[in-house]
Amino acid sequence: GNSVTQMEGPVTLSEEAFLTINCTYTATGYPSLFWYVQYPGEGLQLLLKATKADDKGSNKGFEATYRKETTSFHLEKGSVQVSDSAVYFCARTFSGNTPLVFGKGTRLSVIA
Amino acid sequence: NAGVTQTPKFQVLKTGQSMTLQCAQDMNHNSMYWYRQDPGMGLRLIYYSASEGTTDKGEVPNGYNVSRLNKREFSLRLESAAPSQTSVYFCASSGGGSNQPQHFGDGTRLSIL
Repeated sequence: GNSVTQMEGPVTLSEEAFLTINCTYTATGYPSLFWYVQYPGEGLQLLLKATKADDKGSNKGFEATYRKETTSFHLEKGSVQVSDSAVYFCARTFSGNTPLVFGKGTRLSVIA
Repeated sequence: NAGVTQTPKFQVLKTGQSMTLQCAQDMNHNSMYWYRQDPGMGLRLIYYSASEGTTDKGEVPNGYNVSRLNKREFSLRLESAAPSQTSVYFCASSGGGSNQPQHFGDGTRLSIL
């Protein structure tokens, strides 16, 4: 199948803490991998992406590396801020125009 | 900077009423999608349109119909609304190709009483 599994939330961290949100995908084909972020009351926004093995996507201090050997795409940030509080979704696609398959989302709350 | 525009933003319906959710994109994208988002379920694909003139079922198509009116517009219709269809609905579009991201609208919050 083409599924994505991400860690259950919610995750609550203090400001400046290190963040990891785990994401694994089924190893069917050669997917592109994405992290999306959803702020309260808004739609999903692309945070970062990686299109092939060993690629590292990065944006706004967040990073994720496409690990084919472990079928993972974990999201990390070295020092979170209150403004990072949101729901984060890992997603994959397969080829052509096939729609993204999303994980169930992980809610992050950062407290000052 | 419009991107993907969804209307309405909020709607309350009674069971059995019909409703069409509108979506338009101004990025000249070939592909468009409708998702629903429910607590604990993530996003689930209802229908998608890989290109103008084509539509395909997603994971949860029952109770919905879609129309790809032209390249810009992709509407979602509930013919006879049910309380189980209470959800937040998101439209998205993409240019096609496996490395192209999807761009999302701000959502329609629909409640069925």
